[in-house]
Amino acid sequence: NAGVTQTPKFQVLKTGQSMTLQCAQDMNHNSMYWYRQDPGMGLRLIYYSASEGTTDKGEVPNGYNVSRLNKREFSLRLESAAPSQTSVYFCATLMAGGGYTFGSGTRLTVV
Amino acid sequence: EDQVTQSPEALRLQEGESSSLNCSYTVSGLRGLFWYRQDPGKGPEFLFTLYSAGEEKEKERLKATLTKKESFLHITAPKPEDSATYLCAANTGGFKTIFGAGTRLFVKA
Repeated sequence: NAGVTQTPKFQVLKTGQSMTLQCAQDMNHNSMYWYRQDPGMGLRLIYYSASEGTTDKGEVPNGYNVSRLNKREFSLRLESAAPSQTSVYFCATLMAGGGYTFGSGTRLTVV
Repeated sequence: EDQVTQSPEALRLQEGESSSLNCSYTVSGLRGLFWYRQDPGKGPEFLFTLYSAGEEKEKERLKATLTKKESFLHITAPKPEDSATYLCAANTGGFKTIFGAGTRLFVKA
C-alpha cells in the first residue's frame, strides 16, 4: 500500500521549460490537492480536485495547470517555468476524518 | 484575513525535557485544527484533528489541546526520534485549509 506516490523526486529546469509533476494514490480517496512549500511559509494550495472530472484554483494557481486524469491520478503542469516556481511540491489526498495524506514531494529548482 | 501562526520557530530540548509548541489561529469559523509531523525530505504526516475548544488527543508522548484561539502540542519526555518539524493547520470549511510555517524541534540525547 503505497498511499500517495509522486514523480519525479527531484527536477532542475531552465527558465521557460515545461514539465509535468505526476501524482497517483491507491487509497480510493475522492479529493486530491497540489501544495507548494517554501522556506518560512506555510503550505499553500495551488489547485485541488474535489472528485474525478473537477478541478478548482487554490490560493496560488498562476503559472500552473492541472489534470485529474482519473480517480487515482492528478497531475500538475508548469507550462513555462520561472525561478519563482522553485519550491517543494506536495500532492495530497483528503482522508475521511478531514486530514491529508501527503506524498513525499518533488523538489523543483528553476534556474 | 485568516491566519495561523506557530511559535517558536525552533525549539531545542534535552532528551526528557518536556515542553509545548503553540499554534495561534485567527480564522472565520474553525471547522477543524490539524497537527502534522514532517521529517526532512519527507511529506507531512498526519497526527491529530481537533474540532472544538476543550478537546484533547494523545499519541505516545504527544498531546494536542485546543482553545478558542490556539492549540498546543505538548511533548512529554521527548526522545531524539521526536526531532522533526511540526505543522498545524486550520480548516475553515470546504477546501480552505491554512497552514502555519511550522516549529522545528530538535531533541538532543
